[in-house]
Amino acid sequence: SQTIHQWPATLVQPVGSPLSLECTVEGTSNPNLYWYRQAAGRGLQLLFYSVGIGQISSEVPQNLSASRPQDRQFILSSKKLLLSDSGFYLCAWSVGLGAGANVLTFGAGSRLTVL
Amino acid sequence: AQKITQTQPGMFVQEKEAVTLDCTYDTSDPSYGLFWYKQPSSGEMIFLIYQGSYDQQNATEGRYSLNFQKARKSANLVISASQLGDSAMYFCAMREPPRQLTFGSGTQLTVLP
Repeated sequence: SQTIHQWPATLVQPVGSPLSLECTVEGTSNPNLYWYRQAAGRGLQLLFYSVGIGQISSEVPQNLSASRPQDRQFILSSKKLLLSDSGFYLCAWSVGLGAGANVLTFGAGSRLTVL
Repeated sequence: AQKITQTQPGMFVQEKEAVTLDCTYDTSDPSYGLFWYKQPSSGEMIFLIYQGSYDQQNATEGRYSLNFQKARKSANLVISASQLGDSAMYFCAMREPPRQLTFGSGTQLTVLP
């Protein structure tokens, strides 16, 4: 069966520090991978998605970046965190590209607090 | 413009009763998919139910059903026989291929004993 791992679960970082959140998927090949952010009490905002190794699409311009060094690994990074980067970050995966095939399965999330 | 609108920030329902969570959407694409997700306090997003724009029948999954009214562009989630464990945030979402999933702002459901 497929599983998705996301870490760290919680982190507190000072403004200006770097960030690295990691996500790995097991039990599937060539998944679509996604990073979403959820601000407190709000809906989910798509940050990045990837349909293959090295292929990254950015939905929202910001100081974050994403990389996909391996088929089932997706990394969210920042060189210098801002206060506004605080939030709940969710990694997700799916297979296929049609509307019906695009059921996203989410990880447990990473809660980031920037002080 | 909002693609997905959930007008109920919070809802209360008595245990064992049914509840409807509203969702309206905006699209001019003929092909799209509608999804509902549940987010408990733990934070993980759990897929509940899916409805395709060409599906003739309303989707059902156990106690969840999706009341799909295409002409009104609404995709309300109906939860029958509510349980205490249904208390959570519920998100409606839409995908218009090739664009990615867009989420509404959510409805916080509280089931009362």
